[in-house]
Amino acid sequence: EAQVTQNPRYLITVTGKKLTVTCSQNMNHEYMSWYRQDPGLGLRQIYYSMNVEVTDKGDVPEGYKVSRKEKRNFPLILESPSPNQTSLYFCASRQQGSNSPLHFGNGTRLTVT
Amino acid sequence: AQTVTQSQPEMSVQEAETVTLSCTYDTSESDYYLFWYKQPPSRQMILVIRQEAYKQQNATENRFSVNFQKAAKSFSLKISDSQLGDAAMYFCAYRSRNNNDMRFGAGTRLTVKP
Repeated sequence: EAQVTQNPRYLITVTGKKLTVTCSQNMNHEYMSWYRQDPGLGLRQIYYSMNVEVTDKGDVPEGYKVSRKEKRNFPLILESPSPNQTSLYFCASRQQGSNSPLHFGNGTRLTVT
Repeated sequence: AQTVTQSQPEMSVQEAETVTLSCTYDTSESDYYLFWYKQPPSRQMILVIRQEAYKQQNATENRFSVNFQKAAKSFSLKISDSQLGDAAMYFCAYRSRNNNDMRFGAGTRLTVKP
């Protein structure tokens, strides 16, 4: 089944404790991205990647890191999480070009205390 | 930068009736794509419908249709014969043909009353 898999689904952590949210897609998509969803703000892009070893900042990259060492994986790293990073996070992928829609993972609810 | 505005934070509709969700966007480009996504309580993001700006014909998918007004930069979603399963948050999204960034509106929460 074609899908984007992100883990964990829920995560509670404390300020400053490094964490990684994993994301993997099995559709051979070149493009992958991370979004955060906050009430009243919709989804905002954190980082995206056009292909292996190519990553770029989105609208809200501060406090986040990503890597794209393999085409299928695009982990999101919070090196020193803070309470303002408490949010719902989505990984997404799509084929390059035309009107290809984004395929989303099921989301990760992160709470930083 | 392009912005997407959904002016209705919440909407409600009676089961079997029709409801229209509004979306406007701001862009100086002529070639782009528009999308509506549905997010049910399971929080999964589900593509509802998409529209290419160069197509004048409004997209339809079963009970879902759009009213795309390019000059007015408006992209509303009409849900006909509303069902309880349509209850969700709906997001309008814009993507430029030449850009890799997809812009989302703040969302409209739709309630369906039995």
